[in-house]
Amino acid sequence: QKEVEQNSGPLSVPEGAIASLNCTYSDRGSQSFFWYRQYSGKSPELIMSIYSNGDKEDGRFTAQLNKASQYVSLLIRDSQPSDSATYLCAVRGRGYQKVTFGTGTKLQVIP
Amino acid sequence: DTGVSQDPRHKITKRGQNVTFRCDPISEHNRLYWYRQTLGQGPEFLTYFQNEAQLEKSRLLSDRFSAERPKGSFSTLEIQRTEQGDSAMYLCASSLGASGDLTGANVLTFGAGSRLTVL
Repeated sequence: QKEVEQNSGPLSVPEGAIASLNCTYSDRGSQSFFWYRQYSGKSPELIMSIYSNGDKEDGRFTAQLNKASQYVSLLIRDSQPSDSATYLCAVRGRGYQKVTFGTGTKLQVIP
Repeated sequence: DTGVSQDPRHKITKRGQNVTFRCDPISEHNRLYWYRQTLGQGPEFLTYFQNEAQLEKSRLLSDRFSAERPKGSFSTLEIQRTEQGDSAMYLCASSLGASGDLTGANVLTFGAGSRLTVL
């Protein structure tokens, strides 16, 4: 079982729609969760971090964490073509400083 | 603050040669990470430093790979006797965190990466 699992996509949504990206993790003791965006040929950049169960909103982005289900998601409202990128889920396990990334989900926003 | 700097940005080498990459983290960051990324994959953890101490190293990292962070500032990643399978983007990231910090740290800031091509 992979430590962090994501559907590789591509996930295609029309402009203005809500994009929903999902991630599961294997270490039940994980404590820190991150979503990074990576444009083609560029480095990952942080979008959201979340540390406790529930929702965290920042502009058009909402991160959701459910530790009991070992599940974290990212919602992007009013999707724009500029949101087209690969979205990486990252997790830090209990007792470690290593941050483990999933393979990423490629999002395509169709104008 | 100029962010995380990596050098060189691109390196083409022949199989069997040694290569070295350098990373200069954000000056106030005490943690430094090296990742490797191949096409279509997420960043794969290689190693991590807190100040000058190398605290974690991936079991996937063969003995051909070595990393240092003298004086807790810049870091180097050396690959000896390169193989074609080493071709990848090598990403450096830094973060700020205190010992025992369990939540707010580990927000990684990445450099632009060093792309290695082994012929």
